[in-house]
Amino acid sequence: GAVVSQHPSWVICKSGTSVKIECRSLDFQATTMFWYRQFPKQSLMLMATSNEGSKATYEQGVEKDKFLINHASLTLSTLTVTSAHPEDSSFYICSAIRRDRLYNEQFFGPGTRLTVL
Amino acid sequence: QQQVKQSPQSLIVQKGGISIINCAYENTAFDYFPWYQQFPGKGPALLIAIRPDVSEKKEGRFTISFNKSAKQFSLHIMDSQPGDSATYFCAPARTGGFKTIFGAGTRLFVKA
Repeated sequence: GAVVSQHPSWVICKSGTSVKIECRSLDFQATTMFWYRQFPKQSLMLMATSNEGSKATYEQGVEKDKFLINHASLTLSTLTVTSAHPEDSSFYICSAIRRDRLYNEQFFGPGTRLTVL
Repeated sequence: QQQVKQSPQSLIVQKGGISIINCAYENTAFDYFPWYQQFPGKGPALLIAIRPDVSEKKEGRFTISFNKSAKQFSLHIMDSQPGDSATYFCAPARTGGFKTIFGAGTRLFVKA
């Protein structure tokens, strides 16, 4: 168990358009979901922490109006990149913490490769 | 107190050798010490983790050692295999849904 899916796995879009990425915990309820972005050969950079039913907490330097996060249920969080630009091209990864686990083991999704032309 | 330092940045090991990766942290509130493995184009996956009440944990070829007083923990990969070639991240965390700070990562290459 503890599978996290992301959709789509890759997306190409034109500059100025918006893209929505879904993150689902398939077989467990998630207390918290995290969104990361990762540039080539770099570490994961936390963008925001998302708790079901409440507003996401964004990291310093992350534009909340550009990266909209909605945590609609205990199994679904979405990241919408609004008015995307080429510099937003990156690998976006979500993770989830199980509601029934004491420790912060994060279960990661497979990632979404975003390319903005 | 959220800085996490991981070393080395990259590592080349011969097949059958031992790979050692280290992680130092500052925040004494951390109570969960995992190592994640990531292959290119994939999301990270938990490899092994330790809690502060034990000093060592072994799972197959992977061992994690924890030194609470030094605020360090390390990953040892015994009998390293080409399939272990990946990027490894330490990501100490605090229980309760608090955000995790990832180390910079170690790119391991195991030569056949």
